[in-house]
This record gives sequence, C-alpha cells and structure tokens, in this order.
Amino acid sequence: NAGVIQTPRHKVTGKGQEATLWCEPISGHSAVFWYRQTIVQGLEFLTYFRNQAPIDDSGMPKERFSAQMPNQSHSTLKIQSTQPQDSAVYLCASSFDGNNQAPLFGEGTRLSVL
Amino acid sequence: QQQVRQSPQSLTVWEGETAILNCSYEDSTFDYFPWYHQFPGESPALLIAIRPVSNKKEDGRFTIFFNKREKKFSLHIADSQPGDSATYFCAANQGGSAKLIFGEGTKLTVSS
Repeated sequence: NAGVIQTPRHKVTGKGQEATLWCEPISGHSAVFWYRQTIVQGLEFLTYFRNQAPIDDSGMPKERFSAQMPNQSHSTLKIQSTQPQDSAVYLCASSFDGNNQAPLFGEGTRLSVL
Repeated sequence: QQQVRQSPQSLTVWEGETAILNCSYEDSTFDYFPWYHQFPGESPALLIAIRPVSNKKEDGRFTIFFNKREKKFSLHIADSQPGDSATYFCAANQGGSAKLIFGEGTKLTVSS
C-alpha cells in the first residue's frame, strides 16, 4: 500500500508568490493533517480534516494560509504572498479515523522562499 | 505555549546500553501518547504509542513507561544500536481531538 503522497517534494518560490502544496492521504483514512516543521519551532500542527470536513485549524496562521480537502483523495495547502519565514518542511499525515490514532506522515514538501 | 516537554535535548549512549528519553505534559485531558523517530532527511515515523489505561507498553526493544499521576512518560530503548541514532519525538493528544502536540525532540546518538 502506498503511504501518504506529497507533491512537490521541493518548491522554491520568490517572496510574494503563491505556493500550493498537495497531499494524497492513505486510501481509507478519513483524517488528514497538515504540520509544519522547522529547526526553531519544531513540529507545529496547522490543521486537520475528518471526512473532508475541516475540524480544527487552530494552528493555521490567520492570514495567507488556507487548506482545503475537495475530495477524499487529496488535500491542498495554499500559501499566498509567501514570505521567507514560511520556509519549512510541510508535512501531511493521515490516520484511519483520527482520535487516539497516531497519524502516518508523508515525506513532506520542503518550501524555500527566497 | 509548550504543552509537551522533552528531555534531554540530546543524548549519547554506547551500543548495547539502554537509552532513556523523557516527556512530560500539562493537560490532564491528554489521553494518547505516541512516539515517533525521525532520521535525517526523512519524515517522522511512528514507533510506539500508549494510552493511559496502561502504565507500560512494549514492542521489541522499545518500551514506554507511563506515570499518569506525575504526567510523565518515557521511552526506553534497550540494547541500543547505531541504527537507532535519530531524533525522537513524543506527542500527546486530547480526548475527542485528533490534534497531536509534539515535544521538542531528543537527538539520540548511539556510539559503537
């Protein structure tokens, strides 16, 4: 079985450009998560969906960041007007139903904002 | 606000020794505690997890010890091998929520 698939693996954007990151969760998993990892902040929760519905976006920066899950097979994280401080590894993860289950991570998208 | 704390930040042990990694938490509603390890250039991978109905969970050389009263839990890696060298993250989530809060990580180095 394929794991969580994230594309692209690496993305370089100029300051002020838009970046869209894609995630395909494990088939049959109803909970999908986005995390961000940096050296300074560590692993930060951004948002999660269950059965495609947004459940908790408490970690999402209030401006410029948005996440969607238009169908059960993919989710997107969009960052508008990217800034150098957005540079990080963005990790998507999924689990069977969310509660009391450790999500399984994809390989991540390394975003570099120049 | 850091709700899950890990110590030490880095740990070096000799091959064959038991490595002990520690975590503590603040929120008494937390009820699920996984550990992940992460090798350089890779994403975190689930290692082992425990629910507070138990105070111990074993999986091969990896054991979680859980102390609900003190809100502490630890990962013991027995017979440590150089291949265990990685960064280890503990995490916790609240009952009714799937949101995992991660600790800061412990970088483990196993020397041969």
